[in-house]
Parts: sequence; structure tokens; C-alpha cells
Amino acid sequence: QVQLVQSGAELKKPGASVKISCTASGYTFNNFGVHWLRQAPGQSLEWMGWISPVNGKTKYSQMFQDKVTFSRDASAPTVYLELSRLTSEDTALYYCARNSLNIAAIPERFYFDYWGQGTQVTVSS
Amino acid sequence: EFVLTQSPGTLSLSPGERATLSCRASQSIFGRFLAWYQKKPGQPPRLLIYGSSSRATGIPDRFSGSGSGIDFTLTISRLEPEDFAVYYCQQYGSSPPVTFGQGTKVEIK
Repeated sequence: QVQLVQSGAELKKPGASVKISCTASGYTFNNFGVHWLRQAPGQSLEWMGWISPVNGKTKYSQMFQDKVTFSRDASAPTVYLELSRLTSEDTALYYCARNSLNIAAIPERFYFDYWGQGTQVTVSS
Repeated sequence: EFVLTQSPGTLSLSPGERATLSCRASQSIFGRFLAWYQKKPGQPPRLLIYGSSSRATGIPDRFSGSGSGIDFTLTISRLEPEDFAVYYCQQYGSSPPVTFGQGTKVEIK
């Protein structure tokens, strides 16, 4: 069955960076884009962007483009989210999610059928 | 700015009752590209509906979606105990490519 398994909770100090992983199984990794989303305490879901497993092409939400870097290891198969210059406002639950539509679908349409379990990132001094 | 407004904020109902959740967009959503998710504490979101009215794999038929343009509705025909959760709508037809509503909580009355 399709699974996305994320790395564990992180506690970081302000100004630090953190890298979260999301390992896929149960489907052909190259066939579906992987997205990152977050949910801050008491807030709704926010889309951060996505990465193509095929070639590592990325698209970032304008809101997060100076904060995040996506990468992937196609052999793992794993995608990564790196958050830089952490502040208390980055405290949130971060999810990876698989795009429902095959990566070959044109035009791109993003909604999400499988999700990781979430990784809590807490930024505190 | 593209905004999805969900109403009501909280819906208090009893098991067996019908739930009607609204999602209104600040501008027309191209192609009826709207999805609904269910979110329970400690769990990731679960895709319920896509394309405004298509049920995702494994979703019971008591969940139905409708709408086009700026007005969309998620209906749960008869609430089961496991349906009490927060529900989010998400558009994927316009720019920015993904926008979520603020959520509707369905709680036990």
C-alpha cells in the first residue's frame, strides 16, 4: 500500500536549520510529485511547494520561497524539506503529501491523496 | 488574493443528522477544481472529494460534494461517530496553485 513516512519531531533553537525527510513506498516514486504543507497551531493548512521526483524540479509558494529548500534522493526514495533561519513562527506540523495526479498530467493540478504522518518542528530558545 | 471562506466555523450535530458545509471562493474556481479533506487530531488530512463531486477511493457514499464557480458544498447525509472532525476545502484550479479554507469543525451536540 502507498505510504509516506516522515522523520521524527525536531526541537530547534532560533536561527538554526532543520531537515525533514519523507520516504515513499508502495508506488512508483517517479510517477507522482511530492508536496510539502504545514499546519501551524490553531491554523489551517498551508501549501509550501512541491518537488518532482524525476528531475528534482521544484516550485515554491511565494510565502515560503525564502524559507525552504526541497531535495530528493531518487534511490532512497526520499524527499527532503529544509527550513532555514528558524523563528518561533516556524513552529508547526509539517506534512509531505503525494499529488493525486500523475506527474505527466498537463496542466498541473495539485490535490493530495496520500499524506505522511506529519513532523512536528518546535522552535524555542 | 485568493480566499476560501468556510461556513459555519463550527457545526454542532448529533449522530444520524445531516451535515451541510459551505466553501465560498473570492473568485470563480476554474474547472470545479475543488477538494475536501477530513482532519482528525493526531492524523494527517484524508482526501474525501476532488473535482467538486468525485469521491476519493474508499470514501463512503454518505459523503457528497457539489458546486461550481464560487459556491461549493460538502454534505454528510447521516453522521457517523467517526465523522466528527474538522473539514477543509482546497482549490487547485486557480493561482496560487493551492489554497485552503480555514476549516469547519463538526462536533457532537
